[in-house]
Amino acid sequence: QITLKESGPTLVKPTQTLTLTCTFSGFSLSTSGVGVGWIRQPPGKALEWLALIYWDADKRYSPSLKSRLTITKDTSKNLVVLTMTNMDPVDTATYYCAHRYCTTTSCPHFDYWGQGTPVTVSS
Amino acid sequence: DIVMTQTPLSLSVTPGQPASISCKSSQSLLHSDGRTYLYWYLQKPGQPPQLLIYEVSNRFSGVPDRFSGSGLGTDFTLKISRVEAEDVGVYYCMQSIQLPWTFGQGTKVEIK
Repeated sequence: QITLKESGPTLVKPTQTLTLTCTFSGFSLSTSGVGVGWIRQPPGKALEWLALIYWDADKRYSPSLKSRLTITKDTSKNLVVLTMTNMDPVDTATYYCAHRYCTTTSCPHFDYWGQGTPVTVSS
Repeated sequence: DIVMTQTPLSLSVTPGQPASISCKSSQSLLHSDGRTYLYWYLQKPGQPPQLLIYEVSNRFSGVPDRFSGSGLGTDFTLKISRVEAEDVGVYYCMQSIQLPWTFGQGTKVEIK
């Protein structure tokens, strides 16, 4: 079965760079149509999509955060890494990674999610 | 950005009764490929979101048939035919036709 798990620091200081890792199993990020995305959720607030990387290494970023985000993958190790620079207290949130698999006939977008990892930005 | 507006923001439902959530997008979600990229997720308390409905009306694997989705263009609805206690949580709609992919603000469903 498909599983994803996020890992990374729970506390970062303002201006620091956050690095989060999504380790997954049950699928390959070299399979056509597969992608892994990152979504975050500030405490008590709604979901916000951040970035996604496709099986062919194509990447998509939220335009408002694009200058601060980098998403990469290591297909052999089944992991995806998201880095976010210049962290600010408003970036305090739970960060989720999620699986996406779309074909020409169906696209159950973000069908599997990790449990999320909380990140607090504070000095 | 496409704005997704959900109504109501909260809903209190008696078990066994129906419930309905509306999601309106600021632009049409109908793609030139003929598909409409509208999704519904449920986030149960303390859990990550789970996919309920994809492309307006397709139930994801394992989702009970009391959940149904409908709509077209910019107006969409999620219906629960008979609410059960396990359906409590926050429901989100999401669009993926245009970057950035955006979510609604969420509708909190509780049991009376």
